[in-house]
Amino acid sequence: DAGITQSPRYKITETGRQVTLMCHQTWSHSYMFWYRQDLGHGLRLIYYSAAADITDKGEVPDGYVVSRSKTENFPLTLESATRSQTSVYFCASNGGGTDTQYFGPGTRLTVL
Amino acid sequence: AQSVTQLGSHVSVSEGALVLLRCNYSSSVPPYLFWYVQYPNQGLQLLLKYTTGATLVKGINGFEAEFKKSETSFHLTKPSAHMSDAAEYFCAVSGEGEAALIFGKGTTLSVSS
Repeated sequence: DAGITQSPRYKITETGRQVTLMCHQTWSHSYMFWYRQDLGHGLRLIYYSAAADITDKGEVPDGYVVSRSKTENFPLTLESATRSQTSVYFCASNGGGTDTQYFGPGTRLTVL
Repeated sequence: AQSVTQLGSHVSVSEGALVLLRCNYSSSVPPYLFWYVQYPNQGLQLLLKYTTGATLVKGINGFEAEFKKSETSFHLTKPSAHMSDAAEYFCAVSGEGEAALIFGKGTTLSVSS
């Protein structure tokens, strides 16, 4: 299917475990983004990527790792999950500039 | 640094009433401004955006917004609310050459019959 997809949609994990959230887009957009959404904070940028093998930090990057070996995929890894990382995570993509960012459906992550 | 302030975390209107959601921004560069809507358990969907040109921007579902540089505002309006407009609305800003969006904290719109 065309578009942007995220998996899993829901994830429960324990403190200290490694978790990877997947994001896949079919438009060949050059830019991809990871945001987290928390009550009272809106959406905050974690990391973004301008192209394969090019990534940069956003507002809240600590505790997260990203990679982008292929244009269409942009996984987000929590190397050692903490309770403060309980959140809803959104992936987005666009062609750059003022192009509309298209958002995935989100992953709801709970860290116990 | 850029920032966005959405006045009012929760706005309630009656069906058929005017919808006004407020957004003010700060930016050291000419801003690009966006309004997104989020329905429950879904991702964000673009309502409208201002980049250059006409300052009154029309979007989907009957919404519009006006860029007022002197007031650093980009308020979202709809003349007549519908029950289906109940959702969370986010204002966002970016600048020329900047890829990422800076979001406001969101405004939840409730519509009563």
